[in-house]
Amino acid sequence: KNEVEQSPQNLTAQEGEFITINCSYSVGISALHWLQQHPGGGIVSLFMLSSGKKKHGRLIATINIQEKHSSLHITASHPRDSAVYICAVRSYTSGSRLTFGEGTQLTVNP
Amino acid sequence: DAGITQSPRYKITETGRQVTLMCHQTWSHSYMFWYRQDLGHGLRLIYYSAAADITDKGEVSDGYVVSRSKTENFPLTLESATRSQTSVYFCASKRLPGQGPSDEAFFGQGTRLTVV
Repeated sequence: KNEVEQSPQNLTAQEGEFITINCSYSVGISALHWLQQHPGGGIVSLFMLSSGKKKHGRLIATINIQEKHSSLHITASHPRDSAVYICAVRSYTSGSRLTFGEGTQLTVNP
Repeated sequence: DAGITQSPRYKITETGRQVTLMCHQTWSHSYMFWYRQDLGHGLRLIYYSAAADITDKGEVSDGYVVSRSKTENFPLTLESATRSQTSVYFCASKRLPGQGPSDEAFFGQGTRLTVV
């Protein structure tokens, strides 16, 4: 079993829909990252959080440390949100190294 | 240009050849990382470096060598390329914790390597 599990693996939505991507992890962590990988391959960091909730535009990330679970929400989804979303955790024992989930492929249709 | 850049973006090489992937960052970040990305796997750490002349193995380091003589460069060398090393390789960098406003990692654009 991977230390970081994401669901779903693939998600197709219609423009305007509210989207949720989930991430569960099995180790104690000091931080969790959400990353976005564009169709061209580039990876950008969306959020880094260790507790609570963060919001940036239409993106919201939440984390529940006790349940070892995080969610990434996209409100009013748009075709340009189509990308792979990757969850990564930094465990207490890994220093600055990250462990990644396999990613969720999101496709938003117009 | 400022940022983190990888070169080449695409490379085809033959089995047994040595190939070096380059990574350069302009932020003077202490940490640098090499990952590979394959279908069915998340990004997997090959090697990382906490500072110049300090490197350490990740989970899939066999067949790879790194060096870090300067803070800004972190080349990854495949000593004798094998078909199983066909992958997309990403370099990343980040600050030491507490050295800046953000602890996020910044990724290069990736290098698509094909070993034939």
